[in-house]
Amino acid sequence: DGGITQSPKYLFRKEGQNVTLSCEQNLNHDAMYWYRQDPGQGLRLIYYSQIVNDFQKGDIAEGYSVSREKKESFPLTVTSAQKNPTAFYLCASSTLTGINTEAFFGQGTRLTVV
Amino acid sequence: KQEVTQIPAALSVPEGENLVLNCSFTDSAIYNLQWFRQDPGKGLTSLLLIQSSQREQTSGRLNASLDKSSGRSTLYIAASQPGDSATYLCAVNTGNQFYFGTGTSLTVIP
Repeated sequence: DGGITQSPKYLFRKEGQNVTLSCEQNLNHDAMYWYRQDPGQGLRLIYYSQIVNDFQKGDIAEGYSVSREKKESFPLTVTSAQKNPTAFYLCASSTLTGINTEAFFGQGTRLTVV
Repeated sequence: KQEVTQIPAALSVPEGENLVLNCSFTDSAIYNLQWFRQDPGKGLTSLLLIQSSQREQTSGRLNASLDKSSGRSTLYIAASQPGDSATYLCAVNTGNQFYFGTGTSLTVIP
């Protein structure tokens, strides 16, 4: 089945720890995205990448880091510098921009600080 | 910067009713608009995509319209069912980013 796989589904982080969220896609999409979703708010873009070994900051990149070493993979690290990391994180992918460019999403990772 | 607004934030209807969800955006320079469904604790599932040159798209009981010049889109759901209960989000594609609304939470009462 083609799609996007996020893991783990639930993640708990202690204060001061870095954690990494996994995102893998087998859709052969060039572009990948990370969003954060908080209750009552829309999706906010953290980082995106349109090509291997290149990525761009989104609206709320502070406290997060990413890498794009392979086309299929776009892991997100939530660092200790992120002061309020408890949220639902969504990974998406798409073809490069065109009138038919459609975003596809994984099932999300819920991160909780304990 | 593109801003996307969805009204109402929540909607409750009896089963069988037809309903309309609204989405507005501030910048008409878009490639397309997508409507998504999100169930609690889950990712987003794409329902319909309307290209910027199209006026509407249909899939089953769903019909989405787009008026790019006025920055508006509607999602029409016919003969609503309890299984339609979810949050519905719209998103516009402006080139290298997607901009999302905050969603409309729909409850269909049996």
